[in-house]
Amino acid sequence: AQSVTQPDIHITVSEGASLELRCNYSYGATPYLFWYVQSPGQGLQLLLKYFSGDTLVQGIKGFEAEFKRSQSSFNLRKPSVHWSDAAEYFCAVGLPNFGNEKLTFGTGTRLTIIP
Amino acid sequence: NAGVTQTPKFQVLKTGQSMTLQCAQDMNHEYMSWYRQDPGMGLRLIHYSVGAGITDQGEVPNGYNVSRSTTEDFPLRLLSAAPSQTSVYFCASSPNRGAVYEQYFGPGTRLTVT
Repeated sequence: AQSVTQPDIHITVSEGASLELRCNYSYGATPYLFWYVQSPGQGLQLLLKYFSGDTLVQGIKGFEAEFKRSQSSFNLRKPSVHWSDAAEYFCAVGLPNFGNEKLTFGTGTRLTIIP
Repeated sequence: NAGVTQTPKFQVLKTGQSMTLQCAQDMNHEYMSWYRQDPGMGLRLIHYSVGAGITDQGEVPNGYNVSRSTTEDFPLRLLSAAPSQTSVYFCASSPNRGAVYEQYFGPGTRLTVT
């Protein structure tokens, strides 16, 4: 069965430091891959997506993610975090099959930024 | 555009009561869905709709009903509330089936069942 794993429940980073959030998936073929962000008390917002092609994708708010087929990973990165990046981040996987479009979400990684 | 709106923001129910969570979008999106979010479990799909008059079950549909009589509205009905339905509920929409994964989320409804 398709699954997505975010091994880090909570990460704390100093403002201005770099960030990497991990995401691994388990699926027979390459699925569609997504990162969503949830600010406190808010709904989720799409940060970036990967369907095919260039394995390094750029998103909003200065985030990027790299798809590594050999590692079944889609890690999210940001070179320098800002206090406003404190939020919960969800990796999600979608089946590339028309007629069965359902997102499977990871359990999330909560990001805390310290001054 | 208001985007995706949900009402109420908070609700407390007693076991056995029924209620409807409202969801509306003003973006003319074809695809709408309901998720529940529980600590440590991410979001799980309850029901979804690919257009007016068409609904289907997601991962955790038991205890919930939906209907889609218009493009704009997608209410979620709890038939007989149980403590296990205590959760935060999110409604989401997408422009069409081709962009179904690019979902726009509402602000959520926090439901407590006692």
